[in-house]
Amino acid sequence: EDQVTQSPEALRLQEGESSSLNCSYTVSGLRGLFWYRQDPGKGPEFLFTLYSAGEEKEKERLKATLTKKESFLHITAPKPEDSATYLCAVQAFGNEKLTFGTGTRLTIIP
Amino acid sequence: EAQVTQNPRYLITVTGKKLTVTCSQNMNHEYMSWYRQDPGLGLRQIYYSMNVEVTDKGDVPEGYKVSRKEKRNFPLILESPSPNQTSLYFCASSLDLTRGNGYTFGSGTRLTVV
Repeated sequence: EDQVTQSPEALRLQEGESSSLNCSYTVSGLRGLFWYRQDPGKGPEFLFTLYSAGEEKEKERLKATLTKKESFLHITAPKPEDSATYLCAVQAFGNEKLTFGTGTRLTIIP
Repeated sequence: EAQVTQNPRYLITVTGKKLTVTCSQNMNHEYMSWYRQDPGLGLRQIYYSMNVEVTDKGDVPEGYKVSRKEKRNFPLILESPSPNQTSLYFCASSLDLTRGNGYTFGSGTRLTVV
């Protein structure tokens, strides 16, 4: 059974203080690892898909990386508008389902 | 604007009273899915559909029904809602999950069953 574990559950940072969020996963043949952002009261918003170990993708202050067992979402010099819950999900080959983690709630303090 | 539209946004109902949550997408996406989100449990898939008339169970299908008669619509039906179905529900669509396209999610439906 596919499993996704995200840590920490919650993270508070000062504005400009860089950090990383972790997504550990077990899956029988990774087709893709997805990162989403979710704001309170809204649906998740797609950020990245990573396909193979060593791959990296960037979007503004966010950079996602992937190894064979985990993915990191690095946030550089965050701003208050980066405050949200970040969700990680995996999809296995031959499976149409995305399995989500429970997310990391990120708060950036001005 | 490309989007997934769910209705209603909020719904309070009583145990046993049949209800339908509608979902429509305007992106000509093949894949559609329903998720529920509960504190501490994350997003769990209820049902998904790969195309018209093709649906399959997700992780938590008990107590739910779906249909995909048209490509754009994917309603979620609760024939006899119970309090344990109180949750935040999301409909999502994707062009092609086999190519790593992410889901586009709707804004959610907060359902309370009393």
